Amino acid sequence: EVQLVESGGDLVQPGGSLRLSCAPSGFTFRNYWMTWVRQALGKGLEWVANIKQDGSEKYYVDSVRGRFTISRDNAKNSLYLDMNSLRAEDTAVYYCARGYYHYDTWGQGTLVIVSS
Amino acid sequence: DIQLTQSPSSVSASVGDRVTITCRASQVISSWLAWYQQKPGKAPKLLIYSIFNLQSGVPSRFSGSGSGTDFTLTISSLQPEDFATYYCQQANSFLSFGGGTKVDIK
Repeated sequence: EVQLVESGGDLVQPGGSLRLSCAPSGFTFRNYWMTWVRQALGKGLEWVANIKQDGSEKYYVDSVRGRFTISRDNAKNSLYLDMNSLRAEDTAVYYCARGYYHYDTWGQGTLVIVSS
Repeated sequence: DIQLTQSPSSVSASVGDRVTITCRASQVISSWLAWYQQKPGKAPKLLIYSIFNLQSGVPSRFSGSGSGTDFTLTISSLQPEDFATYYCQQANSFLSFGGGTKVDIK
């Protein structure tokens, strides 16, 4: 079964840092672009970042560029999102998803709350 | 960046109704337009990709159409399990989602 499982969400203070992880299974991870999408509670979906199969290309939404870093370890079958200088407006459920042009597999999401 | 505007933002419908959701782009989109369904507390589910291609396992009552800047998701006969929020998404220029359309029970 093709599956993605996120972890690492937590309550963090403004200005703090957090690392999210995504563990894929059931498919050859190194063959796919991977993406992070977030959703503030009760709001719509927002694309956050994506990364090419070999990690050579990475793209970010303007609001997180310079604060968030997407990375992957194909040997360990893992996707990451390092989040620094967190703000209240970063509070959301973060999903990892498979694909570039569209996302055919999603994780269950991990909740990040930025609050003092 | 391409902005996607969905309409309506919400619609009330009955089982068996035909429901149409529109997604308008601020610039021309070639073919990278997808539609997702999301139920409360769940991850989005891919329904349609590349404007009109039905994702494997998705019922044929869902269909996509359109070109240029105007795109449509149609549910031909609404079923109880279709009450959800629907999002369009483009990948023609960076990536973005529409604001969503909530389909609820009339």
